[in-house]
Amino acid sequence: DAGVTQSPTHLIKTRGQQVTLRCSPKSGHDTVSWYQQALGQGPQFIFQYYEEEERQRGNFPDRFSGHQFPNYSSELNVNALLLGDSALYLCASSYSQGAYEQYFGPGTRLTVT
Amino acid sequence: GENVEQHPSTLSVQEGDSAVIKCTYSDSASNYFPWYKQELGKGPQLIIDIRSNVGEKKDQRIAVTLNKTAKHFSLHITETQPEDSAVYFCAASIGYNTDKLIFGTGTRLQVFP
Repeated sequence: DAGVTQSPTHLIKTRGQQVTLRCSPKSGHDTVSWYQQALGQGPQFIFQYYEEEERQRGNFPDRFSGHQFPNYSSELNVNALLLGDSALYLCASSYSQGAYEQYFGPGTRLTVT
Repeated sequence: GENVEQHPSTLSVQEGDSAVIKCTYSDSASNYFPWYKQELGKGPQLIIDIRSNVGEKKDQRIAVTLNKTAKHFSLHITETQPEDSAVYFCAASIGYNTDKLIFGTGTRLQVFP
């Protein structure tokens, strides 16, 4: 049973550029949440997707957007990258009819120069 | 706004000793409290969780306690082993019956042989 997978593993971008990160949820899960983890900090909730719609959102600007596909996989897009966007981006999946357990992927390390 | 405080930030113990990590949350509506273990270069791994209708939960060497009145919850690891060394995060649901999580700042646990 494959767990949550994310791609790419690492990414280096320049300020002002745009980036797309990808996530495939754990088998049987239909909900995907995205988190940003700065170095030495806990993950911060960006947003959550269910039934191809953004269901909940944290305190992140509109530069952060996402998408969920019919197969439940998801993308995180960040526009106009800032140096402060450098972080580990984590995807977590869960089952909407379950008991809230979220399982994380290995993350994508984004470096903005 | 919602907040989760976690202490201590670092914890060093001898193999075989017990380790305790404590968290305090601010949102009275929170009813789901997971704990995650994060090893270097990996995503957070769910190790145990507790819901607000339960005061204590145990799984082999790991136990979690919850005091809803004081808004405190704690992770207890007994008979620690070197492979327990990692960063541990507590988290709380933001609101009631939601899997949107707010995380603590993490505790780096080192278990010395």
